[in-house]
Amino acid sequence: AQKVTQAQTEISVVEKEDVTLDCVYETRDTTYYLFWYKQPPSGELVFLIRRNSFDEQNEISGRYSWNFQKSTSSFNFTITASQVVDSAVYFCALSEAYSNSGYALNFGKGTSLLVTP
Amino acid sequence: DAGVTQSPTHLIKTRGQQVTLRCSPKSGHDTVSWYQQALGQGPQFIFQYYEEEERQRGNFPDRFSGHQFPNYSSELNVNALLLGDSALYLCASSLEVGDGYTFGSGTRLTVV
Repeated sequence: AQKVTQAQTEISVVEKEDVTLDCVYETRDTTYYLFWYKQPPSGELVFLIRRNSFDEQNEISGRYSWNFQKSTSSFNFTITASQVVDSAVYFCALSEAYSNSGYALNFGKGTSLLVTP
Repeated sequence: DAGVTQSPTHLIKTRGQQVTLRCSPKSGHDTVSWYQQALGQGPQFIFQYYEEEERQRGNFPDRFSGHQFPNYSSELNVNALLLGDSALYLCASSLEVGDGYTFGSGTRLTVV
């Protein structure tokens, strides 16, 4: 069974602070995908990143960066110099990588990030 | 390029009624998945459709059923509505399995 844990329910930071959102996962699969999604108040889930379990390279995209560590089963997300527009709920998700029956996303409960001016 | 379109955006139904939610996938996407998101929770997988067949199903009762049409659009049907079915229902589409699924804005269903 797969499980994703986002222990931080809510985080509040002041604009320009750096913030890290934690994600810990459990799976018996040796090959899997990890995802991060952003959900603004409008409700739509916005895709941020997909990472294959074979690729442990950290990734940076603008102010966003991701730290994937298989040894600790973690896939943490850092926002540098946070902005008010970053306020949203962020979800970490996990799926199988090889399946004949589809690739359901298993989501964590999400971390609500509030960035204040 | 239109993304995933869901209709209606909001819906209020009475307990025991039936409801149909609709989803048009992103252009070129052939796989559609449905998720239920209760307030304050992460989305829960309901089922996935590919080539008009249900390919995978989550832990949801048979009251939840679906359909995919030849143009890849999809419907989610829920029978005998319960108060606990109140949630945001999200549709996601993709082309390649394991790809970064594109989500719609969802249908907010309230059962009273």
